[in-house]
Amino acid sequence: GQQVMQIPQYQHVQEGEDFTTYCNSSTTLSNIQWYKQRPGGHPVFLIQLVKSGEVKKQKRLTFQFGEAKKNSSLHITATQTTDVGTYFCAGQKTNAGKSTFGDGTTLTVKP
Amino acid sequence: DGGITQSPKYLFRKEGQNVTLSCEQNLNHDAMYWYRQDPGQGLRLIYYSQIVNDFQKGDIAEGYSVSREKKESFPLTVTSAQKNPTAFYLCASSTPEGGRRSYNEQFFGPGTRLTVL
Repeated sequence: GQQVMQIPQYQHVQEGEDFTTYCNSSTTLSNIQWYKQRPGGHPVFLIQLVKSGEVKKQKRLTFQFGEAKKNSSLHITATQTTDVGTYFCAGQKTNAGKSTFGDGTTLTVKP
Repeated sequence: DGGITQSPKYLFRKEGQNVTLSCEQNLNHDAMYWYRQDPGQGLRLIYYSQIVNDFQKGDIAEGYSVSREKKESFPLTVTSAQKNPTAFYLCASSTPEGGRRSYNEQFFGPGTRLTVL
């Protein structure tokens, strides 16, 4: 079945440092979504990427979708304490009716 | 105020008892999902439903059952056959696009933390 691997599992940074999490699928995806889950909370949708090679930005967050539509990354520039949480990617295949989530990357930010 | 509700937030049950977790949405979404989250293991799909009166097994359906009699509701029953039921359970909903070839973002409920004693 489809597998979505996400690395690293944990990342500890000093406030102001950059952060990147990577997502790799065993199969070609129709789209990929990114979610953020704050400690004790539920996942909240951040963005969806659909096109090959697509790059989208949300303030300090940059999302990329690979040319082969099998990998993606989320990069945060100059992290802040409000960025703490677990970031999940979720890959979807055409006609699958469901997404497969990566195991997430948990970010902690030291002030 | 649209959204997804799950109740209760915390639930305790004795081993061997079945328990039903509720999930209600007023977003008019066609698709609904149940996930289980354990520490360090991300979200694992239990069951999903793309339309009323139809549902499919996810990756870890054993020991669970669902029903989808109404568009707004997708209750999950954790049966006594589930060997390790203590976990955080999340319900989500979504809308299809492209003639159901793909789905838009998922909206999650606040979750239910089930502890089996």
